[in-house]
Amino acid sequence: EAGVAQSPRYKIIEKRQSVAFWCNPISGHATLYWYQQILGQGPKLLIQFQNNGVVDDSQLPKDRFSAERLKGVDSTLKIQPAKLEDSAVYLCASSLEGGLNEKLFFGSGTQLSVL
Amino acid sequence: AQSVAQPEDQVNVAEGNPLTVKCTYSVSGNPYLFWYVQYPNRGLQFLLKYITGDNLVKGSYGFEAEFNKSQTSFHLKKPSALVSDSALYFCAVRVKVYNKLIFGAGTRLAVHP
Repeated sequence: EAGVAQSPRYKIIEKRQSVAFWCNPISGHATLYWYQQILGQGPKLLIQFQNNGVVDDSQLPKDRFSAERLKGVDSTLKIQPAKLEDSAVYLCASSLEGGLNEKLFFGSGTQLSVL
Repeated sequence: AQSVAQPEDQVNVAEGNPLTVKCTYSVSGNPYLFWYVQYPNRGLQFLLKYITGDNLVKGSYGFEAEFNKSQTSFHLKKPSALVSDSALYFCAVRVKVYNKLIFGAGTRLAVHP
C-alpha cells in the first residue's frame, strides 16, 4: 500500500518569505496530522484534521501558520511570513479514524531551512 | 496536561547485548503508550503500543516494552541489539481527554559492532 506522500523534500527560504507544504495521506485515512520537529526535539502536533474538519489546532501559531484539507483528502500547510525559528522538519501523518489506540503512519517530512 | 520524558539523550550498546531505552509519562487518566523509531532522513515508524491487558507488549523487529503503572514507565527493550537498530527512538502517550499524541524528546540508540 502506498504510504503518506509529502512534498517538497527540502525547502530553503529567507525570513519573511512564504512557503507551502503538501501532504497526501494513505487512501481511506480520515485523520490527518501535521507535526513540527525541531532539531533535538520530539515532534509537536500543529494541527489535526478529521476528514475536512479541524479537531485540534491549539498549538498552531495562527498569526503565521495556516492549514487546510478542503476535500478531506490531501492537505497543505502554509507559513507566511516565515521566521528563523520555523526551521524544522514538518511531518505529515495519517490514521484510519483518529482513535486513541491507532498507530500513525508518517511521511518522510519536509525539511525547512529559514535563513 | 500530559507529558513524556525520555531521560537519556543517547544510549550506547554493544552488538549482541540487551538494550533498554527508558520512558516515563505523566497523564490524567489511563494512558495509551507508543514507541516509534526514526531512521535518518525518514519519517517515524510505529514499533509497538500498550493499550490494556498484559504489561509486556511485543512489537516489530524483536522489540518489546514493559508497562509499569506504579512507576509510570514504559521502557523499550530488546534482548540482543543489532547494529541496524541504531536510530532515534520516540516514546509517545495519548489520553482520552486530549486525544492528541504527545512525543518525548527522543533517545538516540547507537549499537556498536
